[in-house]
Amino acid sequence: GQQVMQIPQYQHVQEGEDFTTYCNSSTTLSNIQWYKQRPGGHPVFLIQLVKSGEVKKQKRLTFQFGEAKKNSSLHITATQTTDVGTYFCAGFRGYAGGTSYGKLTFGQGTILTVHP
Amino acid sequence: GAGVSQSPRYKVTKRGQDVTLRCDPISSHATLYWYQQALGQGPEFLTYFNYEAQPDKSGLPSDRFSAERPEGSISTLTIQRTEQRDSAMYRCASSLTFTSGDNEQFFGPGTRLTVL
Repeated sequence: GQQVMQIPQYQHVQEGEDFTTYCNSSTTLSNIQWYKQRPGGHPVFLIQLVKSGEVKKQKRLTFQFGEAKKNSSLHITATQTTDVGTYFCAGFRGYAGGTSYGKLTFGQGTILTVHP
Repeated sequence: GAGVSQSPRYKVTKRGQDVTLRCDPISSHATLYWYQQALGQGPEFLTYFNYEAQPDKSGLPSDRFSAERPEGSISTLTIQRTEQRDSAMYRCASSLTFTSGDNEQFFGPGTRLTVL
């Protein structure tokens, strides 16, 4: 079945340092989504990437979707303590060969801690 | 409603008992998902509904697990003859429509199930 892997599993940074998490899918994706889960909270949608090679920015966050639509990355510039949490990518296969793959497959997440 | 709600928030049960978890999605949302999230892991797909139809239940771990959404709004997830390995956070999410370009998912707070 489809697998989505994320690295690293943990990342500890000093406030002000940059952070990147990488996501790789075993299959080509229709789109990829990113979610953030604060400690004790629930996943909250950040962004969706659809096009091959797409790059989107949200303030200090930059999201990329690979040319082959099998990998993605999230980069945070100059981390702040408010960035603490677990970042998940989630791949959506969409439709292939007449079959609907309705589910999102989540990676295991990257836990980010930021030391002030 | 303003967001996705789930009840109960916490459930402690003894092995062998049946439990039913409830999800109340955002009222305008057609699609509802159930996930199981183990500590330190990403949400793992169980099943989903488009209104009352259940196109995919491939993620349900065994026939002890079942889900319903009889009127296309509120959904329940029932686990029969619970086992200790069923202990996890069970999350519900809803999305406005089921299309590849419009499936941002809104998660509820989850039900923490502990089987003793």
